[in-house]
Amino acid sequence: DTAVSQTPKYLVTQMGNDKSIKCEQNLGHDTMYWYKQDSKKFLKIMFSYNNKELIINETVPNRFSPKSPDKAHLNLHINSLELGDSAVYFCASSQGPFPEQFFGPGTRLTVL
Amino acid sequence: SQQGEEDPQALSIQEGENATMNCSYKTSINNLQWYRQNSGRGLVHLILIRSNEREKHSGRLRVTLDTSKKSSSLLITASRAADTASYFCATDASGAQKLVFGQGTRLTINP
Repeated sequence: DTAVSQTPKYLVTQMGNDKSIKCEQNLGHDTMYWYKQDSKKFLKIMFSYNNKELIINETVPNRFSPKSPDKAHLNLHINSLELGDSAVYFCASSQGPFPEQFFGPGTRLTVL
Repeated sequence: SQQGEEDPQALSIQEGENATMNCSYKTSINNLQWYRQNSGRGLVHLILIRSNEREKHSGRLRVTLDTSKKSSSLLITASRAADTASYFCATDASGAQKLVFGQGTRLTINP
């Protein structure tokens, strides 16, 4: 059973387009995250939600808008895609006071 | 920035040898974690060490933490080809409610 899943796995699109990445976790966790991993493997947090409430917004351009319809889902919508948005985006989840995070398989976004 | 730094950036050893990776960080932490990332996959949690602990073991993994030097090391003993992956340390700073990852060590185990 997949604990944290993301769709799509690959996303290739043109500059200026709008796209969404979906994330679901079936672990019953109350906190979910989006990370961006660049070409040098540097992994940086973008957002975190706790019980559908935004907790962390790490100075991400407002072209990126996370949405959490319920605590099992955290989607990421990106408007007006730019070349620099090309990266692998990871969703993760964790539970309450336990700091270990569980990661999804990643979505490789390529902006042409 | 609280960003951790890992050393070495890349490590290549023979199967059966031990692998040691180091991580340094900049601010006070609650705990430090190590994660593994296989090529094209998500990160997998390996081990967590709290700020009041100095050493922890899990199977072939041994983690040490020196808060006075703001550094940690991950030792993998008796390495196997399947240990080939990138290894990241992540710190959970006091009051920050987020993990900050190092840039990772790319470990290659040669058969």
